[in-house]
Amino acid sequence: GDSVTQTEGQVALSEEDFLTIHCNYSASGYPALFWYVQYPGEGPQFLFRASRDKEKGSSRGFEATYNKEATSFHLQKASVQESDSAVYYCALSDGGNYKYVFGAGTRLKVIA
Amino acid sequence: DAGVTQTPRHEVAEKGQTIILKCEPVSGHNDLFWYRQTKIQGLELLSYFRSKSLMEDGGAFKDRFKAEMLNSSFSTLKIQPTEPKDSAVYLCASSLGDKYYAEQFFGPGTRLTVL
Repeated sequence: GDSVTQTEGQVALSEEDFLTIHCNYSASGYPALFWYVQYPGEGPQFLFRASRDKEKGSSRGFEATYNKEATSFHLQKASVQESDSAVYYCALSDGGNYKYVFGAGTRLKVIA
Repeated sequence: DAGVTQTPRHEVAEKGQTIILKCEPVSGHNDLFWYRQTKIQGLELLSYFRSKSLMEDGGAFKDRFKAEMLNSSFSTLKIQPTEPKDSAVYLCASSLGDKYYAEQFFGPGTRLTVL
C-alpha cells in the first residue's frame, strides 16, 4: 500500500535557522502531496500541496517541490521563527481514492 | 464560514462505557473523515464518508467503533464498549471531495480518556 516516511521525528532549531524536514513517499499511482501543520490543542491545518512533478507548493515562507524521480517532497523554510514551533505532517492522496496517507509527523521546536 | 465543529472537546469514560463523539463538517463539503491520533501510531483513518455513504470503515477499528452520517451536516462516532487503549484524540475532517487533491479541513478534536 501507499506510505509516507518522514525521516526526522523531532527537530530543534534556533530562530533564523534554515529548516529542512524530509518526506519520501511510496505510491503505485501519481499522488498529490501535502504538508499540514498542527499547533497544540488544534487539528492539523493545510499548509500547501503539489499535484505534479516539479511543481512547487508554498505558504507562509514554507516551500516544497514535488520530485517524482526521488519520490520526495521535502519541506523547507529559510528562516524559522519561534511561532513555527508545531508538528508538521507530510501526506499523500492517491488518484484512485480520496483518502490521505499521513507520515508520522515531525515535531519542530524553535528556540528564541 | 464556520469550520469543522467537534463536541465534546474532552471526554472521560470508565472502561466498558459507550461514548458518542459528534462532528459538524464545513457546510457544502461532500467528504467526511474520522481519524484517531496517538503519539505512537500518529494519524489513523477510522472512517470515510462520501455524500453520506460509508466508503471506508477502518478495518481494524470495525469491532467497537461505528461512525454514522445522519445527514450531510452531522456525523457521530460511537465507541462501544470503551477500553483504556482507546484513549486518544479523535479528529473529524471534511473536504469538498471534488478532486483527489482537495484539502481536508480538520476540527479541533475530542480528547478521550478511558479509565
